[in-house]
Amino acid sequence: ILNVEQSPQSLHVQEGDSTNFTCSFPSSNFYALHWYRWETAKSPEALFVMTLNGDEKKKGRISATLNTKEGYSYLYIKGSQPEDSATYLCAFALETLSNSGYALNFGKGTSLLVTP
Amino acid sequence: DAGVTQSPTHLIKTRGQQVTLRCSPISGHKSVSWYQQVLGQGPQFIFQYYEKEERGRGNFPDRFSARQFPNYSSELNVNALLLGDSALYLCASSLWQGGVQPQHFGDGTRLSIL
Repeated sequence: ILNVEQSPQSLHVQEGDSTNFTCSFPSSNFYALHWYRWETAKSPEALFVMTLNGDEKKKGRISATLNTKEGYSYLYIKGSQPEDSATYLCAFALETLSNSGYALNFGKGTSLLVTP
Repeated sequence: DAGVTQSPTHLIKTRGQQVTLRCSPISGHKSVSWYQQVLGQGPQFIFQYYEKEERGRGNFPDRFSARQFPNYSSELNVNALLLGDSALYLCASSLWQGGVQPQHFGDGTRLSIL
């Protein structure tokens, strides 16, 4: 089991604010880093899968960066909206012991609340 | 297109009983993974199945078992239920078993043990 740490644990911002979260993961044996958004009463939704050091991905107002050498990824939300309120999870892809599959090791998530 | 479907939505069992949870992946997806999520924690990996074979198992006791059928649907079985098994059980599917595949999650089964 590898430790994936996310910070902050929770965040409360006003509509229009920009915000960012951090995901820390083991830098050795890196394979892939996933980001998911999990809204209340819904299922987790994939945002990004990142594999290359220095990678930057963008989806609308949400973007993410990856530093595999130091073991961290940032998720940015520009101009937060109330519909961005959700828990944001990052997960480190780890090859299973059988070496024929992959497991996602999740952090505890960052809970974001955006108020009008 | 239908997403990942899980049944039942909610389930209440008592200690010592057995439970079977079901998952239908997105059409065309051949990999199914199971996760357990307890309050305040991130989802924890239980199993991955691909092409009807187990491809990974998390740190769970032998009371937990699973299988995948020829149509790629999957079942998770838990025997001798304990209070600590109370959790949200999530199923996720992907095209294949690789770690770069985004996982598509179902809404989960909420299991409560009395």
